[in-house]
Amino acid sequence: DAEITQSPRHKITETGRQVTLACHQTWNHNNMFWYRQDLGHGLRLIHYSYGVQDTNKGEVSDGYSVSRSNTEDLPLTLESAASSQTSVYFCASSEKGLNRKGAFFGQGTRLTVV
Amino acid sequence: AQSVTQLDSQVPVFEEAPVELRCNYSSSVSVYLFWYVQYPNQGLQLLLKYLSGSTLVKGINGFEAEFNKSQTSFHLRKPSVHISDTAEYFCAVAPKESGAGSYQLTFGKGTKLSVIP
Repeated sequence: DAEITQSPRHKITETGRQVTLACHQTWNHNNMFWYRQDLGHGLRLIHYSYGVQDTNKGEVSDGYSVSRSNTEDLPLTLESAASSQTSVYFCASSEKGLNRKGAFFGQGTRLTVV
Repeated sequence: AQSVTQLDSQVPVFEEAPVELRCNYSSSVSVYLFWYVQYPNQGLQLLLKYLSGSTLVKGINGFEAEFNKSQTSFHLRKPSVHISDTAEYFCAVAPKESGAGSYQLTFGKGTKLSVIP
């Protein structure tokens, strides 16, 4: 079965370190997204990509970057981790074109910055 | 741009009682509407969606939602809840038209449903 997987599921890192969260999907979806989930804020869009070599900033992109070198992967990098980036991160993917089917989500990565 | 408001952050309800989770949205373009459910320590799972046609849509686990265009609402209902329905529920919208940013889902802040035995 097709799926979308995130790794690691849990990570603790120190302030100032660079951290990369992996997202891999086997749906062959063109669209991929990174969200963060925080209490009282719901899910907020960090970055998104509509295809290989395409990346775009979302609502809360400061301090984050992504790259899309193939269809399956969209890694999220925190350039210099800050305590404010402690959160649960979700990767999602959806088909090319208009979003009639919604998006499929990974299980999430819980990141703690100490 | 779109925005989604879920009026209730927490909803406690007794087992076998009915429940309604409210969702209102704002958008300058036509949108698709979705409800997602998140069980503890899991990702989001699609519960149901409204694309067009009948304004009453049925989803998994006995949930249904009604689209009201004049009130820009998409409330989620279940006639009789079970303990297993305890979860967080998110309402989301996505634009119908193509264009920059058009494939994104915009989420509400979520409603935590707690089913009391």
